[in-house]
Parts: sequence; C-alpha cells; structure tokens
Amino acid sequence: AIQMTQSPSSLSASVGDRVTITCRASQGIRNDLGWYQQKPGKAPKLLIYAASSLQSGVPSRFSGSGSGTDFTLTISSLQPEDFATYYCLQDYNLITFGGGTKVEIK
Amino acid sequence: QVQLQESGPGLVKPSETLSLTCTVSGGSISSYYWSWIRQPAGKGLEWIGRIYTSGSTNYNPSLKSRVTMSVDTSKNQFSLKLSSVTAADTAVYYCARDHDGDLGPWGQGTLVTVSS
Repeated sequence: AIQMTQSPSSLSASVGDRVTITCRASQGIRNDLGWYQQKPGKAPKLLIYAASSLQSGVPSRFSGSGSGTDFTLTISSLQPEDFATYYCLQDYNLITFGGGTKVEIK
Repeated sequence: QVQLQESGPGLVKPSETLSLTCTVSGGSISSYYWSWIRQPAGKGLEWIGRIYTSGSTNYNPSLKSRVTMSVDTSKNQFSLKLSSVTAADTAVYYCARDHDGDLGPWGQGTLVTVSS
C-alpha cells in the first residue's frame, strides 16, 4: 500500500502569511494527488486535483505543485476562512490520505 | 446539483455488522465510482473503498476482509457493510462521488458508535 507522509502535522500562522504544506509518497504516483480542506464538523472539500489543477470555485491563492513522490500545497496569503485541516490524497493505486495538517491562528 | 446523504443506525454492538446507505439526489448514480470514507473523532481520514455502478469494487486492504459494498441504481443508492465491528470502528462515515480519485461532492457524514 502507498503511504502518504504529510508535514507538518500542525502549524500556526497569521492572516496574510504564505503557508506551505508538503506531502511525500512512499513510491512514485505521477501527479495522481489531490488536496482537501476540512473545517470542524464538515466534510472535506476538494481544492486541488492532479497535483496542480485548481478545482472550480476555489480561490487562486491556493496552488499545488509536484510530481512523482513530493508534493506541495501553498496558500499565498492566508485568509481567516483558511484556518482548517488540510489533507493530501493519492489515487495512483487505490486511495490513501495523508495524516493531515492543522492550520491554526498564531 | 448532486447531493449525498448517509443513513443508518448510529449505534452498533461489538461483533455485529455496521450497515449504511448513501442516497444520491440531483443526478444519476450511473457511470461514476462512489466511495466510503471514515474519520474517528479527532483523527484523520481513512478511505474504506469504492464501488462502480456496474458493481465492481475496490477495498482498502486493511479492511477488505470485513467490507462489502453494493449499489442499487434503481434507487440511486449505494451501501456499505462492515462486519465484526469493534470500538475502533467508531467514526463519522462519509460517502462521496469518486471521479477518477477526486472525491466530491460528499455527504454530511453520519456518526456510528460501536458500543454494547
């Protein structure tokens, strides 16, 4: 099974900060990676698919990059509504989620 | 727009079988994969498996021996059965449309507690 290692597990940041979250796959997964945002008590929401494609309706401050084993989600200027937990997901072979990154207010 | 709604018992006894149904509205269930995902309180997401409308399935290897999924296209529903449950299966269970591994939309989730 493909393992997804996400880091950091949590971070504190201020509004306006640039935030970067990384995800590493235990083997190459091409660009078969998505990023999801989850707020407390809510279902996750797809932000990025195919590693770097922005889902319709998602603000352009979110971006994704990477291919193979190393991937990055970047929020260019953190907004109050972005405080949430973020998960990566690989779908190269079945589906595996990363462990999550909780973005908290500094 | 497509909406999903999970339904089923909120309390299941240990060693029994958890059964949930996801009802799809606002669109046809046909020609998509449909996934189940769960999340224990305060923990991360775990993919349980997926079913195509033909009945073809893929399961998480860690749960495969206990999972059965089915689909009823006439009712626009798909279902999950998880056998021999323990307290470790207590979680919020979500259903979601699975478009080539991109999950969405999702249901709101339903809490299932395993307890005697």
